This record gives sequence, C-alpha cells and structure tokens, in this order.
Amino acid sequence: LAKTTQPISMDSYEGQEVNITCSHNNIATNDYITWYQQFPSQGPRFIIQGYKTKVTNEVASLFIPADRKSSTLSLPRVSLSDTAVYYCLVGVPPDNAGNMLTFGGGTRLMVKP
Amino acid sequence: NAGVTQTPKFRVLKTGQSMTLLCAQDMNHEYMYWYRQDPGMGLRLIHYSVGEGTTAKGEVPDGYNVSRLKKQNFLLGLESAAPSQTSVYFCASSYLAGRRGEQYFGPGTRLTVT
Repeated sequence: LAKTTQPISMDSYEGQEVNITCSHNNIATNDYITWYQQFPSQGPRFIIQGYKTKVTNEVASLFIPADRKSSTLSLPRVSLSDTAVYYCLVGVPPDNAGNMLTFGGGTRLMVKP
Repeated sequence: NAGVTQTPKFRVLKTGQSMTLLCAQDMNHEYMYWYRQDPGMGLRLIHYSVGEGTTAKGEVPDGYNVSRLKKQNFLLGLESAAPSQTSVYFCASSYLAGRRGEQYFGPGTRLTVT
C-alpha cells in the first residue's frame, strides 16, 4: 500500500489558486493517483486522476513529477463553494489479491471571502 | 440513473441490536464498497466486493458482515451493535475500465448506537 501524506488544513481566499501537495514516497509502478472532494454530510466525489506528468480537466489540474513520489492538486481561482476536504489516494482498485485503496485524513480547505 | 442509493438515511440502535444497511447501484458496476467515517476523520474501508457472490475484508471489518447476492446490491450487517459503531456509513461502486477505479458514492447512512 502506498501511504500518502497531506497537510491537515489550508486556508485561502476567493479568486486565489490553491495547490495541495500529496507525498507518496513508495508508490508502485502500477499505481494511479486519484483525488476526491468531500463536502460536509456528503459522500466523496471524484475530481481528477493521473499517472504521470500533467492532467487537466474542467475542475482542476494534477501535476506529477517524473519520480511520481508526490503530486499536486491545483484548483484555479477558488470560490467559497470549494471549501471541502480533499483526499489523495494512490494505488489500484481493490481486488481479490488484497489490494485496496485508503483515503487517509485528507486536507481541509477553507476558502474565505 | 439514480446512481448509488443507500437505505436507511438515519438510524438509532440500542447496544446489542442488529440491522442491515442496503446499498443499491444502477450503473452495472462490478466493484462495491462499504466505508465508515467517524467525525473529523477520513473514510475507512470495512468490506468490499469485486463481483457478484464475492466479498473481501477491508481495513476495519470486525463487527460487520456483508453479502453481494445480486450485482446491483451490497448489504452491510451489524449483528450486535456497539457504541463504537456510531458513524456515518458510505457505500460506493466502481467500474474498472475508463478512469481506473473511480468510485461513485451514495449519500450516506448516519447510525447512532446508544
């Protein structure tokens, strides 16, 4: 299991770019890096996934250096509605071989007006 | 598509009582999962299933049992509830192809054991 380390919390202001870094030093060759967002009283929601280099979608960008030992989720021009907990997961989907993904504690992002 | 639905949304149990939480998905996903989330904490995997008729233990399986008799349903049972099982329970499902293992979550079941 590739264990991940993220900051417990971050503060930002509306309109700023927010970067959340996740460390995963023992990532395996087959592992993907996936980020989820969770609002209070809701289940997590998929944001973005990548394997290497850079991935961008309509919500965020994911930067992965060549050694893949860390990754950075970038949220452009955040708004109050981006206040949530963000989880970094590393691995492959659970299977009968015992592989499973762990969510960890996540990063609590607070966006202020 | 309703996505992933969970029944019930809220439940209060007394210590020692039993109950079953039902998860249903209409996306024809192979994989299904049960998580628990304690206040201020991340999600912890209880049990999961990689297909109809198969189940496997996650990180925190003790005190829970599961069954996957139909592909679209995944049941989580508490045989003898304890206060330590007070938590919010989330069900999720995923399909391996496409975005690898992207999980779709249900709205959660808030369980209190007194």
